[in-house]
Amino acid sequence: GQQVMQIPQYQHVQEGEDFTTYCNSSTTLSNIQWYKQRPGGHPVFLIQLVKSGEVKKQKRLTFQFGEAKKNSSLHITATQTTDVGTYFCAGSGLDTGNQFYFGTGTSLTVIP
Amino acid sequence: KAGVTQTPRYLIKTRGQQVTLSCSPISGHRSVSWYQQTPGQGLQFLFEYFSETQRNKGNFPGRFSGRQFSNSRSEMNVSTLELGDSALYLCASSLWHKLNTEAFFGQGTRLTVV
Repeated sequence: GQQVMQIPQYQHVQEGEDFTTYCNSSTTLSNIQWYKQRPGGHPVFLIQLVKSGEVKKQKRLTFQFGEAKKNSSLHITATQTTDVGTYFCAGSGLDTGNQFYFGTGTSLTVIP
Repeated sequence: KAGVTQTPRYLIKTRGQQVTLSCSPISGHRSVSWYQQTPGQGLQFLFEYFSETQRNKGNFPGRFSGRQFSNSRSEMNVSTLELGDSALYLCASSLWHKLNTEAFFGQGTRLTVV
């Protein structure tokens, strides 16, 4: 069945350092979405990637979709305390019945 | 525009009981998906409803069921509750059940089974 894994599971960084989380799928994805969940909150949509090799930027956040459409990454430059939370990728494809399946998430802690 | 509303926010039930959770999607959204979130398992997909029909279903036992009404509001029911059902249950609404749609999550219902 569909497997969407994320690494690392936890990451602690000093404020100002960069952060990257990786999302890997066992099968080819049609789309991938990224969400952020603040502690005690609910997931909030960040972005969707559709094309092979696509790169999108939102201020300090850079999102990439792999050429084979089986992996994706989220990179945050110069982290701030407001970046704290858990980042989830969610992939969908023919193998998932076009339903989005969420990755295991990466919990980011930013140390001031 | 009002967001996704889930009720109740918190619930405590006893093993063996059944529970019904409610989700009101964003006005105009016709797709509602349900997820179970636990610290160990992350976000697990339960099912998705669109136009009162279940479109997709995750790998959960038959004790978990749902339905959607003509106004797109959705309910999920869990019968014969087990301790392991304690979790945050999130619903997400989308405009459409196709791929290129953003999901908007509600605040969730935190269910504790004792």
